[in-house]
Amino acid sequence: DAKTTQPNSMESNEEEPVHLPCNHSTISGTDYIHWYRQLPSQGPEYVIHGLTSNVNNRMASLAIAEDRKSSTLILHRATLRDAAVYYCILRDQRTGTASKLTFGTGTRLQVTL
Amino acid sequence: NAGVMQNPRHLVRRRGQEARLRCSPMKGHSHVYWYRQLPEEGLKFMVYLQKENIIDESGMPKERFSAEFPKEGPSILRIQQVVRGDSAAYFCASSQWGGHSNNEQFFGPGTRLTVL
Repeated sequence: DAKTTQPNSMESNEEEPVHLPCNHSTISGTDYIHWYRQLPSQGPEYVIHGLTSNVNNRMASLAIAEDRKSSTLILHRATLRDAAVYYCILRDQRTGTASKLTFGTGTRLQVTL
Repeated sequence: NAGVMQNPRHLVRRRGQEARLRCSPMKGHSHVYWYRQLPEEGLKFMVYLQKENIIDESGMPKERFSAEFPKEGPSILRIQQVVRGDSAAYFCASSQWGGHSNNEQFFGPGTRLTVL
């Protein structure tokens, strides 16, 4: 599986935008970029995913670099409830291994008042 | 629509006992995944099941661990003769489709297993 690299931790103030980066320089043309997050003492939850174009949903936006070697998850207005570990995951649509999620170490986001 | 349910939420076992973890997927989902999160570590895939079939068990330890997803009833992750190193949070996820990189996986709250 292609590997992703994320900062270990980031801090944000409440009500401010947060940009969570992810590097995936070995991404293949058929890899989708997925983001999940895990709130304290809970199971992970899906945030967003994309292939080439930028994506928006009610939770966040995903900005994908033109060469696809990096992406950024954007939380437009962080709240205390957004404090979590955010995982950037590549999933290859070609193979059966697309079924499993390969979690890295993620970015621990702290949100302060 | 109820989410993925796991029980028990907390399970304490002594070394050598058996642990049974249950997972009821979301309504309409026939694909189940189990993940394990050891203390201070990331989540690791264990096994992927579809009704009555194991599709991918590449992450399952070779001994003592087994999983099933019968035609009726919840998916069960079974750990025989537990050891202290089995202490972890075990998460179940389900999806409507499988083998597809676009399908969203919905996770349960996890079962926290403590082996004394």
